[in-house]
Amino acid sequence: AQSVTQPDIHITVSEGASLELRCNYSYGATPYLFWYVQSPGQGLQLLLKYFSGDTLVQGIKGFEAEFKRSQSSFNLRKPSVHWSDAAEYFCAVSFRSNDYKLSFGAGTTVTVRA
Amino acid sequence: DVKVTQSSRYLVKRTGEKVFLECVQDMDHENMFWYRQDPGLGLRLIYFSYDVKMKEKGDIPEGYSVSREKKERFSLILESASTNQTSMYLCASVATVNTEAFFGQGTRLTVV
Repeated sequence: AQSVTQPDIHITVSEGASLELRCNYSYGATPYLFWYVQSPGQGLQLLLKYFSGDTLVQGIKGFEAEFKRSQSSFNLRKPSVHWSDAAEYFCAVSFRSNDYKLSFGAGTTVTVRA
Repeated sequence: DVKVTQSSRYLVKRTGEKVFLECVQDMDHENMFWYRQDPGLGLRLIYFSYDVKMKEKGDIPEGYSVSREKKERFSLILESASTNQTSMYLCASVATVNTEAFFGQGTRLTVV
């Protein structure tokens, strides 16, 4: 069965510092990859997605992610974090060979300190 | 804008009650999903549907059933609510298989 691993449960970062959130997946087939963000009390919002083509994808709010097939990874980055980036971040993956069911990681909570 | 609407933001039900969670989307999407979200576990797929009257079990279907009589509406049913079903429930809608999922605001269900 496909699975998604986000190794970091909680990350604290200073405002203005860079941020990287890790995501690894298993299954083997060509994945469709997503990052979602959930602010407290809010629903999930799509930050970015990768289907094919350029492995470095740009998203909203200044986020980017890089797909590395050899490492089965899709890490999320932001060069300079703002206090409003404090939220929970979820990596998700689906596969054509698995009926495109969207599987999520456990999430990484980001705290931004002044 | 795509809109996915869940009928309740908060629900409190008693053990043994039959509970209905409703989800409606307004963009004619074929695929709809029900997830539950628990701290440290992320989102886990309960059921999904890729067409009217069609349903597939997800990763944790036990204790749940679903109904999709119309394309825009996907209902999650807890046949006999139990305390371990206290959770946040999220509905999602997807246009085609490789496009993004749009989520409702969630229903926080407490079973007492």
